[in-house]
Amino acid sequence: GAGVSQSPSNKVTEKGKDVELRCDPISGHTALYWYRQSLGQGLEFLIYFQGNSAPDKSGLPSDRFSAERTGGSVSTLTIQRTQQEDSAVYLCASSFLAGSGANVLTFGAGSRLTVL
Amino acid sequence: DQQVKQNSPSLSVQEGRISILNCDYTNSMFDYFLWYKKYPAEGPTFLISISSIKDKNEDGRFTVFLNKSAKHLSLHIVPSQPGDSAVYFCAASSGTYKYIFGTGTRLKVLA
Repeated sequence: GAGVSQSPSNKVTEKGKDVELRCDPISGHTALYWYRQSLGQGLEFLIYFQGNSAPDKSGLPSDRFSAERTGGSVSTLTIQRTQQEDSAVYLCASSFLAGSGANVLTFGAGSRLTVL
Repeated sequence: DQQVKQNSPSLSVQEGRISILNCDYTNSMFDYFLWYKKYPAEGPTFLISISSIKDKNEDGRFTVFLNKSAKHLSLHIVPSQPGDSAVYFCAASSGTYKYIFGTGTRLKVLA
């Protein structure tokens, strides 16, 4: 597609439920990132996928969070047993790693998660 | 430990004047820096980048300055326009893949 597509755009869930957020990166982009932005905060790195390499999961805040990327394209971020502090905008980005020069991330519009 | 800091949460500027947004970092290994602009309910959009081998990069009304000794970069917008009103994030990486973002500065350009 022309841009990074995320769904759902808004999700309201009850505490304790599981949620799945989906990201469709730009076709041909080998790198995929998940960030989140909590109210009044900056963008917090969560996880990074690059090709067939093992993902960098160093930013996942707890073992309730997991992500996968199937076929080197679509990614799903799963949050189990959601807590109120998980409420945030979850942003997906993709990029084409050229090997040199700035690696420019293209972001989707985000999925706003509200945990009641 | 916040490696990328934007100490001004907000800034107001008159239309036509210069906007200067600042960003400080602590990791001397950072070698690429990006600026993003974010409107409400949209994802951040890329504005301009700079590599650590340069001290200035210019693109139209936007110029980014890098002072490596001070670990400081700034984004200049001149002349500022009402459509520039948004939240601006700086981001830094060492190597090319993982960017650390600042907390953002909300710019308001007054008509």
